[in-house]
Amino acid sequence: EVKLEESGGGLVQPGGSMKLSCVASGFTFSNYWMNWVRQSPEKGLEWVAEIRLKSNNYATHYAESVKGRFTISRDDSKSSVYLQMNNLRAEDTGIYYCTPDSDGFAYWGQGTLVTVSA
Amino acid sequence: DIQMTQSPASLSASVGETVTITCRASENIYSYLAWYQQKQGKSPQLLVYNAKTLAEGVPSRFSGSGSGTQFSLKINSLQPEDFGSYYCQHHYGTPYTFGGGTKLEIK
Repeated sequence: EVKLEESGGGLVQPGGSMKLSCVASGFTFSNYWMNWVRQSPEKGLEWVAEIRLKSNNYATHYAESVKGRFTISRDDSKSSVYLQMNNLRAEDTGIYYCTPDSDGFAYWGQGTLVTVSA
Repeated sequence: DIQMTQSPASLSASVGETVTITCRASENIYSYLAWYQQKQGKSPQLLVYNAKTLAEGVPSRFSGSGSGTQFSLKINSLQPEDFGSYYCQHHYGTPYTFGGGTKLEIK
């Protein structure tokens, strides 16, 4: 059974930083590109970032709205993907999900809530 | 970036009815289109990928069609568990844009 467990969310002030983690199980993690997707009532579902495989030199891609502020990384030995978020803004508020890429996003965790507010 | 436009934004239907949701891409995405269902308080669930391939475990009353820029999701004989929100998403390279969603409610 595929499981994805996100953690690290919470309340942070504008301009602050936060690091999200996602631990995966039930599939060969190192064989899958991994993504972060967020959701808010204002913006709906929004793809945030992707990290590819070791064979792709762990290439990363980001949504324009987070480029330069967020960094996605992975540790295949721990079946984990991370999202370092810096200089957070109110519009970054939302539920953050990690999901492996396989002809669409077939598996999702329960998400972790990030609230950016003073 | 590729924009995804979904319609309608909301839809009211009765159990047993057939409904269709449409999604339009701002440029050709071939068949790289996925559909998701989301129920209140839950994570999205993949229904269809590559425009017309049902994800594992998805009932056959769901069907996807289209290619290029015009796509649709059809639900035959609506069941009570089908009510919720539906989203399209292209997976033709980053950024993987989602549509704005369609909220399907019980009439």
